[in-house]
Amino acid sequence: AQTVTQSQPEMSVQEAETVTLSCTYDTSESNYYLFWYKQPPSRQMILVIRQEAYKQQNATENRFSVNFQKAAKSFSLKISDSQLGDTAMYFCAFMKYNTDKLIFGTGTRLQVFP
Amino acid sequence: NAGVTQTPKFQVLKTGQSMTLQCAQDMNHEYMSWYRQDPGMGLRLIHYSVGAGITDQGEVPNGYNVSRSTTEDFPLRLLSAAPSQTSVYFCASSARDTRSGNTIYFGEGSWLTVV
Repeated sequence: AQTVTQSQPEMSVQEAETVTLSCTYDTSESNYYLFWYKQPPSRQMILVIRQEAYKQQNATENRFSVNFQKAAKSFSLKISDSQLGDTAMYFCAFMKYNTDKLIFGTGTRLQVFP
Repeated sequence: NAGVTQTPKFQVLKTGQSMTLQCAQDMNHEYMSWYRQDPGMGLRLIHYSVGAGITDQGEVPNGYNVSRSTTEDFPLRLLSAAPSQTSVYFCASSARDTRSGNTIYFGEGSWLTVV
């Protein structure tokens, strides 16, 4: 069975600074996807970034980038130039290829301070 | 452009009552699923469906029932509500399209309290 671990329950960062959220996972699968979701106080689930396991290149989306280390089963999220609107819960999630079933970590609460 | 629509948004139930959480999507997605989110935890899969007439259990299926009579709708039924089912429920859908990387669309959530 797959598991996803987020070891940082809470993080804080000052506006305009950079912060990195950690995620590790365990799987015996070779084909899979990894995701970071943002959940603001409204509880809406917002996809931040996605990484296909077969791609060696790390995914980037504007201020968001990942450090995907497949051998170490690590998938961290870096947020550059942090903004107040980045304040939210962030969930790391795993999906076995072609199953559409997500397995989530327990989340990291990020607070961005002015 | 409705996406995934869940109703109701908020509901208070008494222990032992039954109810149905409705979920509808207008994107012609094959795959639909229900998750629950409890405090301090990520979302956990309750039930899922890969198409009309086909459903299967996820990680935490006990106490819930589902059916998929149409592509658009995937209701979640609580048979006899218990306080342990107090949670936020999310419906999700996706297309089996490898080009989109199995992008999953979530509804806005349904807050259920069982007293």
